[in-house]
Amino acid sequence: AQSVTQLDSHVSVSEGTPVLLRCNYSSSYSPSLFWYVQHPNKGLQLLLKYTSAATLVKGINGFEAEFKKSETSFHLTKPSAHMSDAAEYFCVVRNQAGTALIFGKGTTLSVSS
Amino acid sequence: DGGITQSPKYLFRKEGQNVTLSCEQNLNHDAMYWYRQDPGQGLRLIYYSQIVNDFQKGDIAEGYSVSREKKESFPLTVTSAQKNPTAFYLCASSTHGTPLNEKLFFGSGTQLSVL
Repeated sequence: AQSVTQLDSHVSVSEGTPVLLRCNYSSSYSPSLFWYVQHPNKGLQLLLKYTSAATLVKGINGFEAEFKKSETSFHLTKPSAHMSDAAEYFCVVRNQAGTALIFGKGTTLSVSS
Repeated sequence: DGGITQSPKYLFRKEGQNVTLSCEQNLNHDAMYWYRQDPGQGLRLIYYSQIVNDFQKGDIAEGYSVSREKKESFPLTVTSAQKNPTAFYLCASSTHGTPLNEKLFFGSGTQLSVL
């Protein structure tokens, strides 16, 4: 069965420093992977997606993620954190049937000034 | 404006009571989903429906039931068999059931609590 594991439940960074949110996946097939973000009191928003094209995927708000098959990873990065990046981030994999999305447990990103 | 409407925003359930959460969308989406969100658990899939009059169990379907009699509506019933119903419930939809359009549109959620 396919699954994703977010390695950190909470990440704290200072404004202007790099962000790294880690995600490993488990899949018996070539997966489709996504990152979603959930800001407080707001709905979930798709940040970026990987669907077997380029392994380095660029998303909104300066985020990007790199698909590494050898490491079964899909880590989310941003060169410089902004206060508005503080939110809950979910790594997500599409199930093999292509009918639903399976969410990780989430990583809370805190950004201090 | 098109979107997904969940109601009510807050709901309280007594022991042994069934409650139904409403989800309506006017986006003309084929597929609809119910997720449950618990702290530290992320979103877990309860049920999903790719087309009218058809639905499948997700990862945690026990204690829940759904129906999909109309394309725009996908109500979720939390039955008395669900022993830990307190959670935040999110309804979502997407344009295609198979293959899944990864851009899910989410409702604003319903917080269910047990009295």
